[in-house]
Amino acid sequence: NAGVTQTPKFRVLKTGQSMTLLCAQDMNHEYMYWYRQDPGMGLRLIHYSVGEGTTAKGEVPDGYNVSRLKKQNFLLGLESAAPSQTSVYFCASSVPPEQFFGPGTRLTVL
Amino acid sequence: GNSVTQMEGPVTLSEEAFLTINCTYTATGYPSLFWYVQYPGEGLQLLLKATKADDKGSNKGFEATYRKETTSFHLEKGSVQVSDSAVYFCALRKNTGFQKLVFGTGTRLLVSP
Repeated sequence: NAGVTQTPKFRVLKTGQSMTLLCAQDMNHEYMYWYRQDPGMGLRLIHYSVGEGTTAKGEVPDGYNVSRLKKQNFLLGLESAAPSQTSVYFCASSVPPEQFFGPGTRLTVL
Repeated sequence: GNSVTQMEGPVTLSEEAFLTINCTYTATGYPSLFWYVQYPGEGLQLLLKATKADDKGSNKGFEATYRKETTSFHLEKGSVQVSDSAVYFCALRKNTGFQKLVFGTGTRLLVSP
């Protein structure tokens, strides 16, 4: 089992560009999450999904969209990137009570 | 609302020293408590957990006891190793409703030989 995988690992964008981060899990988990990690702020929840075809907003959803068309995949989209979105993004999936995290995507917006 | 407060780092120790990383929480009801560890360049991994008051979680020589009276879940290890150098996150999750984790800001541990 690969667990939770994320692509890409690194990305540099210019302000206003768009991109999609892909998260995949092979553990048949219902719940999936997207977090961002910023220095001194821990992890903050962006969006989450409780099952295929469902999504919901977390603490910091503005500027992001998500889709869960297949149970194993959870996509995070940035329609118009801003420098404030420079961060490390982590995807996670869970079966209660533990969450399993991917290795992260480091995104820089210039 | 629910929140987790951790001691600021970095915590710098020599190998074989005793480790304590403080964590206190604010929550309604009786949450489950977790410690996650993040090694350099990797995602978070669950280190240990406790689901009710007075429970002790333990793993890899680390321990933490769920103290309801002091709303604390301090992480301890009797003898740290260089390989324990990482960032440690305390987190809580309510046991009702959606299972959202609330994280502390993380504490970096640096262990020197």
